Amino acid sequence: GAVVSQHPSRVICKSGTSVKIECRSLDFQATTMFWYRQFPKQSLMLMATSNEGSKATYEQGVEKDKFLINHASLTLSTLTVTSAHPEDSSFYICSAPGLAEASEQFFGPGTRLTVL
Amino acid sequence: GQNIDQPTEMTATEGAIVQINCTYQTSGFNGLFWYQQHAGEAPTFLSYNVLDGLEEKGRFSSFLSRSKGYSYLLLKELQMKDSASYLCAVTDSNYQLIWGAGTKLIIKP
Repeated sequence: GAVVSQHPSRVICKSGTSVKIECRSLDFQATTMFWYRQFPKQSLMLMATSNEGSKATYEQGVEKDKFLINHASLTLSTLTVTSAHPEDSSFYICSAPGLAEASEQFFGPGTRLTVL
Repeated sequence: GQNIDQPTEMTATEGAIVQINCTYQTSGFNGLFWYQQHAGEAPTFLSYNVLDGLEEKGRFSSFLSRSKGYSYLLLKELQMKDSASYLCAVTDSNYQLIWGAGTKLIIKP
């Protein structure tokens, strides 16, 4: 099946710094990727849809200037959390859809971000 | 608005059967997914239903009734490793994936 990787798997940073998370589709091309955030004991919350070659689409309430998304190639999307604060500490997960429009999502393993 | 409801938490005994229900109200329907998520890990795909009826896959089965906006995930011969959250998600008319809040399943010996 399709494989999506994420890097890093875990990151600890100081408040005010920026953190970049990479999401790669390893054996397929993804024109669209999704970025989710999950707080403890809560479900996935879609943050934004990353589109290759164009601007990302952000969900209501998600600050596009704080969560920068770049989808520069068909296999790579990056999420940069700028000026991170402790409340940004969360589990960030990316996913990419399969070829069919209603196909399953292939999830990356997630990135645990802790902001001190 | 779009809404997916599933119980917050369920408890079952090892070796038993458990049914996790999901009801949905979405703008259009293009399929329903069940995912399993262990704590601290990403979700993994379990099943996909787009037509009414029961889909069986080993110990797991998923049922769909589109007219009722209802699905369930049936887990048989429960094992301790089945302790996880189970997420119901629906693809709407725009192929947007709408997620339920998840059901935390606790398996007791």
